[in-house]
Amino acid sequence: DAKTTQPNSMESNEEEPVHLPCNHSTISGTDYIHWYRQLPSQGPEYVIHGLTSNVNNRMASLAIAEDRKSSTLILHRATLRDAAVYYCILRVAPYAGGTSYGKLTFGQGTILTVHP
Amino acid sequence: EAGVTQFPSHSVIEKGQTVTLRCDPISGHDNLYWYRRVMGKEIKFLLHFVKESKQDESGMPNNRFLAERTGGTYSTLKVQPAELEDSGVYFCASSQEYRGPIYEQYFGPGTRLTVT
Repeated sequence: DAKTTQPNSMESNEEEPVHLPCNHSTISGTDYIHWYRQLPSQGPEYVIHGLTSNVNNRMASLAIAEDRKSSTLILHRATLRDAAVYYCILRVAPYAGGTSYGKLTFGQGTILTVHP
Repeated sequence: EAGVTQFPSHSVIEKGQTVTLRCDPISGHDNLYWYRRVMGKEIKFLLHFVKESKQDESGMPNNRFLAERTGGTYSTLKVQPAELEDSGVYFCASSQEYRGPIYEQYFGPGTRLTVT
């Protein structure tokens, strides 16, 4: 499984932007970059995903490096509810073949603390 | 729309006993996944169902674990006999995709299993 590297923890103040980095130097051409987060005492929650181009949705933005070896999850205005563990995950595209396209491989993630 | 539900929320059993965990996916989701986090470790993939078929069971730890999805609706995960190292939180997730566009996985709240 392709590996990702994230900082163990980050801190932010409420209302400020947060940039969560992820390195994935061994990414293959058919790997999608997914971000999930886990709030305390809940199951993981999908945030965003992308392949090559930057992506925006109501929760966040995903900036993907041109060589795809790194990406950054951007929370534009952090709130207290955004305090969670954020996971950067490489996921095999369904069209790549094989049986493991559904599998999410979680690493340690980044613990985000948001200060009021 | 109801989310992924899991039952029970918490189970405490003795070593050697049997426990069955249940997961009800979001209605219409053909894909169902089981994951678990044992104490101090990362969330690990167990297996993936497409309807009633096992698409990928590469993460099942050993033959004490049996997952079923009769009729392609709800799924059960049986642990028999349970060992101390099986303690942890078991998550279920579901998604719509089937070898097409990437859809996010929706996670349930998890079942906390404690083996004493």
